[in-house]
Amino acid sequence: ETGVTQSPTHLIKTRGQQVTLRCSSQSGHNTVSWYQQALGQGPQFIFQYYREEENGRGNFPPRFSGLQFPNYSSELNVNALELDDSALYLCASSAGQGASYEQYFGPGTRLTVT
Amino acid sequence: AQSVSQHNHHVILSEAASLELGCNYSYGGTVNLFWYVQYPGQHLQLLLKYFSGDPLVKGIKGFEAEFIKSKFSFNLRKPSVQWSDTAEYFCAVRTYGQNFVFGPGTRLSVLP
Repeated sequence: ETGVTQSPTHLIKTRGQQVTLRCSSQSGHNTVSWYQQALGQGPQFIFQYYREEENGRGNFPPRFSGLQFPNYSSELNVNALELDDSALYLCASSAGQGASYEQYFGPGTRLTVT
Repeated sequence: AQSVSQHNHHVILSEAASLELGCNYSYGGTVNLFWYVQYPGQHLQLLLKYFSGDPLVKGIKGFEAEFIKSKFSFNLRKPSVQWSDTAEYFCAVRTYGQNFVFGPGTRLSVLP
């Protein structure tokens, strides 16, 4: 059974640029959640996708957007990057959208905005 | 809005010492509570969770947590820590129809 994978591992972008981060969910999982973890802080919920539809969103501006594909993999897109977007971006997949379904986290993508 | 606080930013213990990490949340309704752990170089993983029933829940690796509704707390405990418990520990809360809210984390360093 393959776990949650994310790509790339590290990324350096310039302020104002756009970035796409990718996540492959664990086999059998139809729900993907994205989190931003700034240095020294806990993960902050960005949004969740369930069966290709956005199913909940945290307090993030519209320049954070996402997609989920028919195979349940997902992308996180961030436009007009700001210095404060520098963080570890975590993807978590689960077998359903409710809290009773355990979330399995990927290793994260470290984004640095200069 | 919900919030989660964790009492200690960094805890340093010697092996065999007892551990208690504090977690408080700010929501008066029904909550689902979680502790996650992140070992150095590894993914976040679930340590234990509470949904309902017995307020004392047991998790992996000898950890347990107690839900005290009147104190809005969900403290993590372990009677005797090992060097391998060195990690970052996160408390998280989810209420009905809401999303996960994580605390800021507590870094645990266990000295051999």
